[in-house]
Amino acid sequence: DTAVSQTPKYLVTQMGNDKSIKCEQNLGHDTMYWYKQDSKKFLKIMFSYNNKELIINETVPNRFSPKSPDKAHLNLHINSLELGDSAVYFCASSQLSRGNEQYFGPGTRLTVT
Amino acid sequence: SQQGEEDPQALSIQEGENATMNCSYKTSINNLQWYRQNSGRGLVHLILIRSNEREKHSGRLRVTLDTSKKSSSLLITASRAADTASYFCATGLTGGGNKLTFGTGTQLKVEL
Repeated sequence: DTAVSQTPKYLVTQMGNDKSIKCEQNLGHDTMYWYKQDSKKFLKIMFSYNNKELIINETVPNRFSPKSPDKAHLNLHINSLELGDSAVYFCASSQLSRGNEQYFGPGTRLTVT
Repeated sequence: SQQGEEDPQALSIQEGENATMNCSYKTSINNLQWYRQNSGRGLVHLILIRSNEREKHSGRLRVTLDTSKKSSSLLITASRAADTASYFCATGLTGGGNKLTFGTGTQLKVEL
């Protein structure tokens, strides 16, 4: 009965590789997000989708590409991974019509070596 | 630059004491929210206060908002060891749609 789930929880990979992180929410929310949290715990939004439409696209390298096949899923694909991509990536969801309280997934710790 | 700055960065108290964390921001907001993050976990929403509200309560939590000073505070009363976590404020900006901008966080440690 997990509300927002992410896979994998941990991801260790080498520089130059391509990887994907998946996110699913079963809350019936219409909006989903990807955040990056660095080693100092600074949390920054990367992307947001509302009803499968991209509505927030912060200054993020083109190597990062979100994909939303439906309202319940938002995946993040990262090409040509770099050392600086190492961080914890959080998926979140919200229902805009009920305010903007966001529900976060457990995070994916990405380590690029 | 970052929207929210929190103060203090770290706070250590004894169980039963009250904990107060402050958040300052720079631009007009639509609402301000507080989240808790336990170590190694995702963020959990605690409370939302709208720009036209001044104070809000939820259980042992009390949040105030002063839009003239662009600041908010989170008070946790009668703290417990389980309250040990990082606390973040997040601002929803006027005209910013659904975007939240998070503060730097306060790391709270409640000791037995």
